[in-house]
Amino acid sequence: DAGITQSPRHKVTETGTPVTLRCHQTENHRYMYWYRQDPGHGLRLIHYSYGVKDTDKGEVSDGYSVSRSKTEDFLLTLESATSSQTSVYFCAISETREPQHFGDGTRLSIL
Amino acid sequence: ELKVEQNPLFLSMQEGKNYTIYCNYSTTSDRLYWYRQDPGKSLESLFVLLSNGAVKQEGRLMASLDTKARLSTLHITAAVHDLSATYFCAGVQGAQKLVFGQGTRLTINP
Repeated sequence: DAGITQSPRHKVTETGTPVTLRCHQTENHRYMYWYRQDPGHGLRLIHYSYGVKDTDKGEVSDGYSVSRSKTEDFLLTLESATSSQTSVYFCAISETREPQHFGDGTRLSIL
Repeated sequence: ELKVEQNPLFLSMQEGKNYTIYCNYSTTSDRLYWYRQDPGKSLESLFVLLSNGAVKQEGRLMASLDTKARLSTLHITAAVHDLSATYFCAGVQGAQKLVFGQGTRLTINP
């Protein structure tokens, strides 16, 4: 299995609090992605990174920011969490083109 | 903007039967992916279809792509319980951007 670790795996927090999710890879892949999964929507791209300090927006980026200061880590931050951001978040990595390997997911509940 | 639609969204079938999941997409997509997801788990890549007429098979699953019809199919032959999962197709929009269908939840009953 590809070396992708997401942390935390589960989190419950309150509306208005900041939340940071971490994706760590040991594959030295160039591309990293954050998706959210909601019932009836499949997975939707939030942000992606094509190198250290190089990031771009996906289709549902509002309310989220990302940072990639090292090849192996890609952080997703919800500056002020809202209930609509309750979801399962998946990180993915790829050496080329589209995501090849997905992490195990983070289940985030915002009350 | 690429849109991907799967049908059916829910499918309950008996072991030993054959069935097909359909994936329609709205605009040109250079590649088409199929994934499997077990409950509470990550996504597992099944197939990537690269060109019109492409067909790939793995065990009881066979995927095909018709770019002219903007249609991909995932055919299940002689279903077994272990194939119960949610299956997603995904097309490609621009560079590095997968657009997923809603998923098809497949339940195979003994």
